Amino acid sequence: KAGVTQTPRYLIKTRGQQVTLSCSPISGHRSVSWYQQTPGQGLQFLFEYFSETQRNKGNFPGRFSGRQFSNSRSEMNVSTLELGDSALYLCASSKAVTGTSGYNEQFFGPGTRLTVL
Amino acid sequence: AQRVTQPEKLLSVFKGAPVELKCNYSYSGSPELFWYVQYSRQRLQLLLRHISRESIKGFTADLNKGETSFHLKKPFAQEEDSAMYYCALSARDSGAGSYQLTFGKGTKLSVIP
Repeated sequence: KAGVTQTPRYLIKTRGQQVTLSCSPISGHRSVSWYQQTPGQGLQFLFEYFSETQRNKGNFPGRFSGRQFSNSRSEMNVSTLELGDSALYLCASSKAVTGTSGYNEQFFGPGTRLTVL
Repeated sequence: AQRVTQPEKLLSVFKGAPVELKCNYSYSGSPELFWYVQYSRQRLQLLLRHISRESIKGFTADLNKGETSFHLKKPFAQEEDSAMYYCALSARDSGAGSYQLTFGKGTKLSVIP
């Protein structure tokens, strides 16, 4: 079974620009979560999408947004980029089904390395 | 709000020596705890979860609710254990029906040959 894929793997942008990152989950997985990884803050939860709806959101400014399509693929967008947005952005998918009481393992992609100059 | 603390950024041990990676958490509810590992140039992957009480690659972790800890242990370290280890907590977001992972900042384990 193919794993979680993320495109592009590397991006270089300048301050003020916007960027869109893409994530394709494992086939059959309906939940997609996004995380930001930086040396200083570690891994921080951005948001989670399930059935095209944002189910949960971390403590990030509104410049960070996302969406999910009917095929469960997800994109995240960062507008008005700042130097501090330079990070590895990880996507994770799981089978999570509405109403489930247990945790469903999250499978991570390789990440997109964003550098803001 | 939940929090996960890994007090050591770097832990160096000799091959064959015991390993203990520390993890403490704070969460008002009943947590689910995990250890994730990231080997060099590989993706983040689940190592073990407290619910299954399993041993993976010789590693074990016991949830101690009294001390709010979930330390990762291995009796004899191997060179291939060198990696970044992240402790994570899953707390159900009440009302949203979803779970999110809160990660510690990670401990880099270096096993010296």
